Amino acid sequence: TQLLEQSPQFLSIQEGENLTVYCNSSSVFSSLQWYRQEPGEGPVLLVTVVTGGEVKKLKRLTFQFGDARKDSSLHITAAQPGDTGLYLCAGQTGANNLFFGTGTRLTVIP
Amino acid sequence: EAGVVQSPRYKIIEKKQPVAFWCNPISGHNTLYWYLQNLGQGPELLIRYENEEAVDDSQLPKDRFSAERLKGVDSTLKIQPAELGDSAVYLCASSSRGSSYNEQFFGPGTRLTVL
Repeated sequence: TQLLEQSPQFLSIQEGENLTVYCNSSSVFSSLQWYRQEPGEGPVLLVTVVTGGEVKKLKRLTFQFGDARKDSSLHITAAQPGDTGLYLCAGQTGANNLFFGTGTRLTVIP
Repeated sequence: EAGVVQSPRYKIIEKKQPVAFWCNPISGHNTLYWYLQNLGQGPELLIRYENEEAVDDSQLPKDRFSAERLKGVDSTLKIQPAELGDSAVYLCASSSRGSSYNEQFFGPGTRLTVL
């Protein structure tokens, strides 16, 4: 079982602050995805990173895939209350299955 | 385009009772997944279907869990008998064979409470 550890597990910040969420594993993945999940809903895909060292930006969100394709980070600039949710990383192996991380619950206080 | 549909959204049962969850994937998606998600944690794969064939059920507790995907469209996940530890959210997801990186689309889930 490929284990993806996310840190921090919980994060509560004020609106306008910056934050970074980390996703680490000892396994190599062919690609890595980030999802956000709101209460009572299923996870929604934010981004897929494929190449080691790749950086993708989605408005105020910046995603990076580690050079060795074992880890990833999500950085949010000027967080807003609408960013509140459970952030999940998920690594894909060649078998087409996704292995989800342990999750980071973010609360942005207005 | 309609998303992944799941029903019921909530289910409360007593232990040892049977329960079933239903999923209708996005039209045209040949791959269907059932996940279990405990509170505040990431989803864990139970079973993956390619059309009507279960290609990965290694994490499905087969003594009490069963699933089927007749005709390769809708799917049903059953638990019989349910145990207290089965309380969780059961998520269904689907993806298209044409998807480059296995982008999965999730339904809202069924929240099961076993008393």
